[in-house]
Amino acid sequence: SAVISQKPSRDICQRGTSLTIQCQVDSQVTMMFWYRQQPGQSLTLIATANQGSEATYESGFVIDKFPISRPNLTFSTLTVSNMSPEDSSIYLCSARDFTYEQYFGPGTRLTVT
Amino acid sequence: SQQGEEDPQALSIQEGENATMNCSYKTSINNLQWYRQNSGRGLVHLILIRSNEREKHSGRLRVTLDTSKKSSSLLITASRAADTASYFCATDARETSGSRLTFGEGTQLTVNP
Repeated sequence: SAVISQKPSRDICQRGTSLTIQCQVDSQVTMMFWYRQQPGQSLTLIATANQGSEATYESGFVIDKFPISRPNLTFSTLTVSNMSPEDSSIYLCSARDFTYEQYFGPGTRLTVT
Repeated sequence: SQQGEEDPQALSIQEGENATMNCSYKTSINNLQWYRQNSGRGLVHLILIRSNEREKHSGRLRVTLDTSKKSSSLLITASRAADTASYFCATDARETSGSRLTFGEGTQLTVNP
């Protein structure tokens, strides 16, 4: 199974600023994803991070707000841009291995004030 | 939109009893995966079951899949207080727009000592 690390684990940010979250996987994976989870709720997919090309965004999420990079097979970043309190959430990185099992990082808890 | 729906939303049982959680989904799938999430923690991958499989076991866990009814169940036998968590099913649907996991709303399981 893949082990996924994220940093930072949590942050408190001011309105209007941006935060970049890093995700590192310890083994080669096929696909990487970014999800968002409000406390006590389910997960919502933000986008699929594609290696060397633009991410594929889900309905309701746009590149200008959530730019994503994936420069190689095991590393990805998600930036939350021009933050507002509505962006306060837990952001989770996820990766799928060659058996199609999908694993999750510990999450980044973001609070926007 | 959520593909899977878990039932029940909440389940409270005594230690030693079995717990059954159900998941229904709408479209054809490649596979279905079950996860556990302890409060404030990351998601732990439990089991992946493929569309051509009907049942899988892992320790005290048993997962069934009925593609004709578009439903799956997770059975935890001889439950322990440590099994208290939220359980999510996630479906990897067969979509032309790409493969992605979509999560249900989850079942909150409480195992009372």
